[in-house]
Amino acid sequence: DQQVKQNSPSLSVQEGRISILNCDYTNSMFDYFLWYKKYPAEGPTFLISISSIKDKNEDGRFTVFLNKSAKHLSLHIVPSQPGDSAVYFCAASDLSGNTPLVFGKGTRLSVIA
Amino acid sequence: GAGVSQSPRYKVAKRGQDVALRCDPISGHVSLFWYQQALGQGPEFLTYFQNEAQLDKSGLPSDRFFAERPEGSVSTLKIQRTQQEDSAVYLCASSLVAEKNIQYFGAGTRLSVL
Repeated sequence: DQQVKQNSPSLSVQEGRISILNCDYTNSMFDYFLWYKKYPAEGPTFLISISSIKDKNEDGRFTVFLNKSAKHLSLHIVPSQPGDSAVYFCAASDLSGNTPLVFGKGTRLSVIA
Repeated sequence: GAGVSQSPRYKVAKRGQDVALRCDPISGHVSLFWYQQALGQGPEFLTYFQNEAQLDKSGLPSDRFFAERPEGSVSTLKIQRTQQEDSAVYLCASSLVAEKNIQYFGAGTRLSVL
């Protein structure tokens, strides 16, 4: 039973437009959420995170929104650039840091020039 | 080092062979995690170390899988009598005590069992 779900396997967006990647989770014990970006033949690279005490965290072109009641988070990339084309993984854990990350299956984002 | 280093990058093994995968974490990182990533899936947890202590090995799929981190730095994941279903990318991640929820990943070892 998947605890972290990314229901869109792929997403195509035009350069300059907004990319919105979605993630749902089922375990209410999760209180820290992370987004990772992965290029082929490389390991996942940390992008941005949010703890459950916030509903928004912003870092440059990347913003993560958290809706705790809906157990839903989303990553917004604006404006999207061709270099953003990668697989994006949503991950969840608790705040202790001593527990493993639970990942979704990923969404492949293609930004078209 | 600058990042998490894993070796070898690629490993082809015959079924039944033993393999050893190495992970060099970022210097000073206390926590070290191993994950297995099958094709088209997200990484799945295998085991976790804090310094040299293996605190959680609940994700290891069978007793053929064994991990160690004897001096609290480099870690080795060993798979005995490899099976075809062991074919996957094995990822290592490390994290700082101060930002202990953010894990930094190596490029992984792609294991193919024939």
